Amino acid sequence: DAGVTQSPTHLIKTRGQQVTLRCSPKSGHDTVSWYQQALGQGPQFIFQYYEEEERQRGNFPDRFSGHQFPNYSSELNVNALLLGDSALYLCASSSVLGGFSGYTFGSGTRLTVV
Amino acid sequence: GEDVEQSLFLSVREGDSSVINCTYTDSSSTYLYWYKQEPGAGLQLLTYIFSNMDMKQDQRLTVLLNKKDKHLSLRIADTQTGDSAIYFCARGPTFGRGTSLIVHP
Repeated sequence: DAGVTQSPTHLIKTRGQQVTLRCSPKSGHDTVSWYQQALGQGPQFIFQYYEEEERQRGNFPDRFSGHQFPNYSSELNVNALLLGDSALYLCASSSVLGGFSGYTFGSGTRLTVV
Repeated sequence: GEDVEQSLFLSVREGDSSVINCTYTDSSSTYLYWYKQEPGAGLQLLTYIFSNMDMKQDQRLTVLLNKKDKHLSLRIADTQTGDSAIYFCARGPTFGRGTSLIVHP
């Protein structure tokens, strides 16, 4: 049973570019949350998707947007990249309909903006 | 200030108990969590506690919740070198900065 899968694992982008990160939730999970983890910091909550809608959002600018597909997979898009966007981006999945059993995290996408 | 605060480092001897502490400011969330992150890896959910509970025990792990003081702790009994990692406390979707646990022989 696959856990949370994120792609790509590493990415290098130039300042001002746009990036799309992808996440496939654990089988049986219907909710996806995205986090940004800078070096030496705890994960910062970006937003959460359930039923293809953004349900909760953290303190991130509109440059950060997302999408959830009917198969529960999700994308995180970041526009107009800044050097400060360099971080590990983590996806976590959980279940609402199946009863809460905690969050399962993927291994993350390491984004470097140069 | 941050919603969730933790001390940054804890060093213990192998076989001793470790206690990692966390304080939070907002009581609105139903769940509080402890996660473990090893170098180069994602986060692993260790345990969680409902806000209407005071204590939860799971093998070597004991979670204590003091709602009055908004204080959460994680006790690891018989700490092993494999327990060396960063431990994050989280209230709902909000994480602390993590406590780096170093276990030495």
